Amino acid sequence: EVQLVESGGGLVQPGGSLRLSCEASEFTFSSYGMNWVRQAPGKGLEWVSYISSSGNTKYYADSVKGRFTISRDNAKNSLYLQMSSLRDEDTAVYYCARDGLGATISPFDYWGQGTLVTVSS
Amino acid sequence: DIQMTQSPSTLSASVGDRVTITCRASQSISNWLTWYQQKPGKAPKLLIYRASNLQSGVPSRFSGGGSGTEFTLTISSLQPDDFATYYCRNYNTYFGMFGQGTKVEVK
Repeated sequence: EVQLVESGGGLVQPGGSLRLSCEASEFTFSSYGMNWVRQAPGKGLEWVSYISSSGNTKYYADSVKGRFTISRDNAKNSLYLQMSSLRDEDTAVYYCARDGLGATISPFDYWGQGTLVTVSS
Repeated sequence: DIQMTQSPSTLSASVGDRVTITCRASQSISNWLTWYQQKPGKAPKLLIYRASNLQSGVPSRFSGGGSGTEFTLTISSLQPDDFATYYCRNYNTYFGMFGQGTKVEVK
């Protein structure tokens, strides 16, 4: 069974930084694009960032561009989201979600359980 | 960016009811449309892809339709496990947006 397990969430002050991780198992991680999706408390889903299987292609939502960096380590079956200059509005549960093979666009067929990031002084 | 608008925002229904949720795209997305179900405190679950294809393991009471700019998710006979929030999302680009969600609640 495909598994995605996020970690790294927590309480951080505005302007601070945090690094989220997503560890994948039971599938060939290096073959799939991956995404981060977030959900503010009581709100809907917001796509945050995408990375292709090789790591060569990356995209970001306008709301995080220039502040967040997505990366991956295929040898460690891990996806990362480096978040800096955090704002109150970045408070959310952050999910990693699997995309398609290579750089193809596909439905998000597997999701992690999410990790909560709270930005507050 | 292509905007996705769902209606209604909240739907009150009873077990056994037939329910339909609508998702409209601000421009044509062909059939690059997915539907997700989310329960409180849980990750979203993929129900439908390519507008009308049922994801493996999803009950056949769920169905999707439409193309272009207007899409529907129908639950033919609502079951207790189906009370949840449903989201559409376009995936014709990497930047595909989610609809704002439709909460299906007990009438």
